Amino acid sequence: AQSVTQLDSHVSVSEGTPVLLRCNYSSSYSPSLFWYVQHPNKGLQLLLKYTSAATLVKGINGFEAEFKKSETSFHLTKPSAHMSDAAEYFCVVSDQNTGFQKLVFGTGTRLLVSP
Amino acid sequence: DAGVTQSPTHLIKTRGQQVTLRCSPKSGHDTVSWYQQALGQGPQFIFQYYEEEERQRGNFPDRFSGHQFPNYSSELNVNALLLGDSALYLCASSYSTGPYGYTFGSGTRLTVV
Repeated sequence: AQSVTQLDSHVSVSEGTPVLLRCNYSSSYSPSLFWYVQHPNKGLQLLLKYTSAATLVKGINGFEAEFKKSETSFHLTKPSAHMSDAAEYFCVVSDQNTGFQKLVFGTGTRLLVSP
Repeated sequence: DAGVTQSPTHLIKTRGQQVTLRCSPKSGHDTVSWYQQALGQGPQFIFQYYEEEERQRGNFPDRFSGHQFPNYSSELNVNALLLGDSALYLCASSYSTGPYGYTFGSGTRLTVV
């Protein structure tokens, strides 16, 4: 069975400082891994995805994540936080890279950005 | 190009009632998946429809059922509502043959009282 563990329920940063959201995964297969963002009262937006190509994945809005198989981690980073980054972030795993993916979500990390 | 459209956006139901939620997929997408997101939790997979049939299902009771129409739109039905069914219900569409990846709707917020 697949699962993801998001190590922090809340992360607080100041605007302009780096962001690190941590995620560990468990999968019996070569996983596909994703980060999604959810702003209040909005749906889920894909930030980036890893599907067994380059281990360093660049996404939208300056976010990137590195797949580390030896550490079973897929941490999300951004060099400089912006106020608009405040939202809920979900690390997600799937054992498929097909049109029939079933996504398994973590419990989420709420990112708070202060001026 | 419209994304995934869900209706209604909010609704309130009483315990024991039945509810139907609707989803129109992104243009060209043929597969629809439904997720339940309880307050403070990550979304959980309910089921997935392709070619008007349920293709795979998560760990949800039979009170949760669905349907996909020939135009690929979908409905989620929940019978005998419980207080614990209160959640945000998300619909996601995708291509069965690629490129792979979901487009999510904004969800339907269901409150059971």
